[in-house]
Formats: sequence, C-alpha cells, structure tokens
Amino acid sequence: AQSVTQLDSQVPVFEEAPVELRCNYSSSVSVYLFWYVQYPNQGLQLLLKYLSGSTLVKGINGFEAEFNKSQTSFHLRKPSVHISDTAEYFCAVSLSDSNYQLIWGAGTKLIIKP
Amino acid sequence: KAGVTQTPRYLIKTRGQQVTLSCSPISGHRSVSWYQQTPGQGLQFLFEYFSETQRNKGNFPGRFSGRQFSNSRSEMNVSTLELGDSALYLCASSLSGGGYEQYFGPGTRLTVT
Repeated sequence: AQSVTQLDSQVPVFEEAPVELRCNYSSSVSVYLFWYVQYPNQGLQLLLKYLSGSTLVKGINGFEAEFNKSQTSFHLRKPSVHISDTAEYFCAVSLSDSNYQLIWGAGTKLIIKP
Repeated sequence: KAGVTQTPRYLIKTRGQQVTLSCSPISGHRSVSWYQQTPGQGLQFLFEYFSETQRNKGNFPGRFSGRQFSNSRSEMNVSTLELGDSALYLCASSLSGGGYEQYFGPGTRLTVT
C-alpha cells in the first residue's frame, strides 16, 4: 500500500538556524507532491508543490523542497527560520493510480527556540 | 475570491446525537474533500466529492456520510455520535482534485460529551 512517512514528529531548532523536514513516500507510479503548513488554530495552507519539471521547488515564506525520485523523497528546507515558522508541516502525495487521492504524512511540528 | 468557509466553527453535541457540518468551496471549485484531524490520529481522509458524486472514500464507518449539491457546496453528517468523534473537521476544495492543490477552510471543532 502507498504511504507517506514524515520521519520526525517534532523538530526543535534555534531561530535563524537552517531546518530540514523529511518526507519519504512509497509508490511506483507517477506522483504529485505537496507540502502544507498548519499554524495554530487554523486550517492548512499550501507551501509548495511538485507536479513536473525542475526537481527543486520554491514555495512561500522562503521554503523550498527537492524531489528525489530515486530516493522517493521530498524534503522541505529553509535556510533560516523565524519564530513565525512555528507550525505543523504536512507532506502529501497524490497518486496517478488511485484517482489522485491525496495520501498524507503524520505531520512534523516545527518548534523554534529563541 | 472568497476562501473556503465552514459552518459552524464550533459545536458541542451529546453522545448518540447526529450532526451536520457545512462547507462552501471557493467559487469555481468542483472538488470538495473532508478530513478528520485529531491529536492521536493526525489528518484522516473521510471522502471526496466531485460534481455531486463521491469519488474517493476513506476508511470510516457508515455513520459518516456526505453529499454535494449542484452549486458544489457540501455537507457531511455523522450519526450516532461517539466520544471518539471529537475532532477538528476540515473541508478542502480544489478545481478538480488530482494535481490541483487543495484550499482548506478553518475547520469545525466538534466536541462530543
């Protein structure tokens, strides 16, 4: 069965330090990949997406992600985090062989330490 | 363009009752998906509607049902509420699902006592 794994449930990092949130998926078919962010007491908001083309994708708020087909990964990175980046981040995969239903990771809480 | 709206935002119900939640998608969006979010289980997919037809379904009991109207507005219903149904219910709309990104509403916080 297809799945999405976010390897870290929580990632603590100091303000202005770089961060990487990891996402791996299991699928042998073509995929679309997404990262969403959920700020406290809010719905989810799209950060960035990969549909095709360049494997390095830039999103909002200075985030970027790289699609690695051989490692089936789509890790999210930011070179310097702000206290305002405190949120939960979700990776999602849309599979061409299951009506493009989104499969979601369990989420990673990004905790910014001052 | 107005975003996805969900009503009500907060709801308190008693075990055994039923509840109906409403979602109005972004204008022009034909796909509406519903999710249940809890601290223990994370984000769980309930179902997706596209042009008034259920296109995808998650692994929830039959007490959870939904429908979509001709104007793309959607409702979900939970019958015979259980304590474990307490959760944030999120609705998301997209142009047609698939590779199109989903736009989420703020959610309905349901508490079952």
